[in-house]
Order: sequence, then C-alpha cells, then structure tokens
Amino acid sequence: KAGVTQTPRYLIKTRGQQVTLSCSPISGHRSVSWYQQTPGQGLQFLFEYFSETQRNKGNFPGRFSGRQFSNSRSEMNVSTLELGDSALYLCASSLSGRTGIFEKLFFGSGTQLSVL
Amino acid sequence: GIQVEQSPPDLILQEGANSTLRCNFSDSVNNLQWFHQNPWGQLINLFYIPSGTKQNGRLSATTVATERYSLLYISSSQTTDSGVYFCAVREETSGSRLTFGEGTQLTVNP
Repeated sequence: KAGVTQTPRYLIKTRGQQVTLSCSPISGHRSVSWYQQTPGQGLQFLFEYFSETQRNKGNFPGRFSGRQFSNSRSEMNVSTLELGDSALYLCASSLSGRTGIFEKLFFGSGTQLSVL
Repeated sequence: GIQVEQSPPDLILQEGANSTLRCNFSDSVNNLQWFHQNPWGQLINLFYIPSGTKQNGRLSATTVATERYSLLYISSSQTTDSGVYFCAVREETSGSRLTFGEGTQLTVNP
C-alpha cells in the first residue's frame, strides 16, 4: 500500500506570491491533517479535513487555507507569502481521525517551502 | 491547551549504548504517539501508546497516563537511530489535533 504522498518536495517562492501544496493520503484513509514545522515553533497543527469538510483548525491566519476532494486528496494554499512562512509542511492521514479511537497518523515526507 | 515537554533536548551516544527519552504532558490524553523524524524530514510512527508498555525490536515505550508521562527506550543504539524523536499527544477534547513536543535530537556516533 502506498504511503502518504506530498508534492512538490521543494518549492521556492517570493514574498507576496501564493502557493498550493498537494497531499494524497493512504488509500482508504479519509482524514487528512496538515502541520507546519519550523526551527523556532516546532510542529504546529494547521487544519484537518474529513469527508471534504474542515473539521479542526489551528491558530494560523486566514492566509492559510485548505480543501479536500471527494477522493480524500487534499490541498493547502498560502496566499500573500511572508518570509516567516518558510517551513516544512507535513501532511498526515488516518482512517477517520475520530477522537478516542485507536488510530495512528501516517505522515508524508513534506514539502519544503522557502520564501525569499 | 495541553503542554508537552520532552527531555533531554539533545543526546549524544556511542553506538551500542542505551538511552531513555522522556515526554511529560500537562493534561489527560487519549492518544500518544512517538515519532522518529529521519534526515529527509519524514515522521515515522514508532508507537501508538496512550497507556501501558509496548516493544518493537530494540525500541520499547511505556506510558503512565495517570502520572502524565511516557518513556521511549532505545537499546543497543545504532547510527541509523540518529534523528529527532517526537512525542505527540491528542487531548480528549481536541478532536484530531496532535500537539507535539519540541523533540529530542539524538546523535549516535560510530
């Protein structure tokens, strides 16, 4: 079974631009979560999607958005990029993400975004 | 929100040594996982362990939920064990959100 796939692997953008990152979950997984990793803030939760609906959201500005498609693939978008958005963006999938239910999260290799 | 603290922040070992990594959390959790981040950035799931003890080869983990801590043991360490180890927890009221500790950077020298 293929793992979580994220594209692209690396991305270089300039301030003010926007960017879209893609995540394909493990087959059969319906929950997709996104995390941002920076040296200063560590790993922080961005949002989670289940059945094409945002189910949970972290403390990030509205410039960060996402969506999920009917095949569970997800995209996240960052508009008006700032230097501080440079980070490793990690996507994770799980079967349903239901609270209290035994569920592992499986992560992709991430997209390394550099904002110049 | 819940606080997750990991110790030590850095650990340097010689190949073959044993080590213990600790994770303290400030509130009740229903999901605790240990991850290893490899040099390419991928987080590899090591254990799902909200309570009790589990073993997988040279690695084992114990979580004492009532005392709000978890331990990850690495025995007979190898250079390939190098990387960052993260503990992540899910609060009972947070839905699917995982809160990560700051990690332990492990370096195993040959």
